[in-house]
Amino acid sequence: SQTIHQWPATLVQPVGSPLSLECTVEGTSNPNLYWYRQAAGRGLQLLFYSVGIGQISSEVPQNLSASRPQDRQFILSSKKLLLSDSGFYLCAWTGTYEQYFGPGTRLTVT
Amino acid sequence: SQKIEQNSEALNIQEGKTATLTCNYTNYSPAYLQWYRQDPGRGPVFLLLIRENEKEKRKERLKVTFDTTLKQSLFHITASQPADSATYLCALYNNAGNMLTFGGGTRLMVKP
Repeated sequence: SQTIHQWPATLVQPVGSPLSLECTVEGTSNPNLYWYRQAAGRGLQLLFYSVGIGQISSEVPQNLSASRPQDRQFILSSKKLLLSDSGFYLCAWTGTYEQYFGPGTRLTVT
Repeated sequence: SQKIEQNSEALNIQEGKTATLTCNYTNYSPAYLQWYRQDPGRGPVFLLLIRENEKEKRKERLKVTFDTTLKQSLFHITASQPADSATYLCALYNNAGNMLTFGGGTRLMVKP
């Protein structure tokens, strides 16, 4: 069966510091992968999606970037965090039509 | 622009009653619509998918309807239980079919 992992689970970072969040998927090959952000009490905002290694599409202009160095690995990064980057970051992969989400990373920028 | 609207106010119901949640959309031509459940601090979990040619779909105590004329889906939970308390999200693919967009979700509270 397929499993999706994210780490870290929680993170507290100061403004201006770098960020690296990792997502890995097991049990499937060549998945479509997605990064979402969810602010407190808000809906899901699609940040990036990838249909293959090195293929990244950005939906929202911001100070975040994404990379897909391996088929089942998706990384979200920032060089300098902003207060507004705080939120719940979710990685997901797509089955036939539905999406399966990881456990998420709670990021607090102080 | 494309919009997916769900009632942002929490829905409070008594245990045993039927909960009905609404999802309205504009400027989409979806072939199918999806519903997810999200518990606090967790990622959404897929519940049901209904296709445009299906008027109704059931899974255990869940029932979903899809009216492409009204551009609306209704999500019902019958014989609701406190464990059903969560936020429920509807989702549609964009017209290009490569991105899933979620509504803001409706929080359901089932009181014993």
